[in-house]
Order: sequence, then structure tokens, then C-alpha cells
Amino acid sequence: DAKTTQPNSMESNEEEPVHLPCNHSTISGTDYIHWYRQLPSQGPEYVIHGLTSNVNNRMASLAIAEDRKSSTLILHRATLRDAAVYYCIPPVGNTPLVFGKGTRLSVIA
Amino acid sequence: NAGVTQTPKFQVLKTGQSMTLQCAQDMNHNSMYWYRQDPGMGLRLIYYSASEGTTDKGEVPNGYNVSRLNKREFSLRLESAAPSQTSVYFCASSHRQFTDTQYFGPGTRLTVL
Repeated sequence: DAKTTQPNSMESNEEEPVHLPCNHSTISGTDYIHWYRQLPSQGPEYVIHGLTSNVNNRMASLAIAEDRKSSTLILHRATLRDAAVYYCIPPVGNTPLVFGKGTRLSVIA
Repeated sequence: NAGVTQTPKFQVLKTGQSMTLQCAQDMNHNSMYWYRQDPGMGLRLIYYSASEGTTDKGEVPNGYNVSRLNKREFSLRLESAAPSQTSVYFCASSHRQFTDTQYFGPGTRLTVL
């Protein structure tokens, strides 16, 4: 298993950048790192995924360490709508995703 | 596209009653999943279906049965509900099993008294 470690909670001011860290020290060389988030009272939604190099999309950026043992989800300008639980999920081959407890992000106006 | 839809949104059962949670997706995905989420916890996989005609147990299958009715629909049945099954149930789908992005429904909040 690719065990992951995320902080339980983080807080950010609105309009500020947010860096959400994740350690996945046992990830294999071919497993993509996925990030999902879950807004209050909703199902999880995909945010971004990557393998080795940094990735950007309209929602966020993903910075992956060179040794792939950690990654950081970057929200460039947090808004109140970004308040959610963020899950870092490095799948292990063709096995079920494991949603841990994630990081609860609070955004302060 | 509606994406993944689930019915009902809310349900209250008495212990021992049975019910079926319905899930449908319109994205032509091959794989579908049922998860449960208890308060303050992450999601746990109950059952999944890699493709039409196949189903497999996940982490917490006891007390549940599933049916992959066709490519679009994947139902979850509680034969004899127990208070321990009080939870929020999410259905999800993906093009390929596990490795592809999963798309989730809005959830069914189930209370068993």
C-alpha cells in the first residue's frame, strides 16, 4: 500500500495561495497521484492528477517532488468555495482508491 | 449530461427493513462503485463493478448486495437494515477500473432507527 500522510486541517485567508501537502513515501514508480476534494454535503470531485512533473489545470496546480515521495496541491487564490476536505490518493496498481481522512481546508473571509 | 444520479436523496428505515439505492450514469463508463461515508471519516468501498456483468466486494461488503443491471445502472440493496448502516452512500463511475478519474453522485443519506 502507498501510505499517505496529510495534515488534519489547514486554514487560509481568502485570496491567498494555499499549499496542501501530502506524503506518500511508498508510492510505486508508475502510480499517478490523484487529488480529490469534497465540498460540504456533496460527493467527492476530481481536482487534479500527475505522475512525475508538475501539472496545472483550471482548478489547481500539483507540484510533485523529484523522488515522488511527496506532493503539494496548490490553490493559487483561495475562495470561500474552496473550503472542503482535500484527499491525496496515490493508487496502488489496479486496486481500489483509498480515501483517508484528508485535510479539511477552512477559508477565512 | 446529468453525470451520476442517485435516488433517493434521503431515507429513514427501521431496523430489519430492506431497501434498494439506485445509481445511474450517462457517461458510458465501464466501472461503477458504491462507497459509504460515516461522520468524520473517509469513504470506504462497499462493492464495485469493473464492467457490465461483473461485481466484486470492496472493503466493507457485509450486509449489502449489488446488481449491475446494465452499463448505466448499479444498485445497492440492504436486505435487513441495521443501525450500523446509518451512513451517507455515494455511487461513482469511471471509464476504467480504479485508475481513471471517478465521478461521484450527490449521495443518499440513510438513517436506520
